[in-house]
Amino acid sequence: EIVLTQSPDFQSVTPKEKVTITCRASQSIGNNLHWYQQKPDQSPKLLIKYASQSISGVPSRFSGSGSGTDFTLTINSLEAEDAAAYYCHQSSSLPLTFGGGTKVEIK
Amino acid sequence: QVQLVQSGAEVKKPGASVKVSCKASGYTFTNYAIHWVRQAPGQRLEWMGWINAGNGNTKYSQKFQGRVTITRATSASTANMELSSLTSEDTAVYYCARAYDSSGYYSDFGYWGQGTLVTVSS
Repeated sequence: EIVLTQSPDFQSVTPKEKVTITCRASQSIGNNLHWYQQKPDQSPKLLIKYASQSISGVPSRFSGSGSGTDFTLTINSLEAEDAAAYYCHQSSSLPLTFGGGTKVEIK
Repeated sequence: QVQLVQSGAEVKKPGASVKVSCKASGYTFTNYAIHWVRQAPGQRLEWMGWINAGNGNTKYSQKFQGRVTITRATSASTANMELSSLTSEDTAVYYCARAYDSSGYYSDFGYWGQGTLVTVSS
């Protein structure tokens, strides 16, 4: 089973600051890595697919990079509405797995 | 627009089974796989399995093998997930999900149902 390790677990950030979340896979997964945002009592929302592909309707301040085992989600110029938990997910091999999540709080 | 609408919350006793449904609309149901993912309190998201909505083929996580059954009713554009031999550790929100634009199984989850809370308590 591929284990995804996210860091940090928690981040408190001021608006307009840049946020970087990392996801490390226990073995190479190519670019089969996706990022989600989840707000309390809501379903996860797809932000980035296949490491760096943007999703229609998702603000351009969200971007992704990486391949192999190391991936990054970047939020440029954080807005108050970005307070949420963020998860990575690999679709390279079964079982499909998720990272433990990063909670972003607005200061 | 693609929508996945799930059945309502359930409360079950230990040892019982639960069945959660997921009704799809806004696309051709048989063209995409439906996955089931759960989220227990304080735990990470956990993939349970998928079903090929076209031919009914399924694949389950080994963790749930023998306890989970995923089915579909094409005439109703509905996928179902049944979990048996419930324990308190199965208390979680259960989601159905579909890929954003891929018809494959190994994909992102671009569309999600609203979630169904299953509580297992004596």
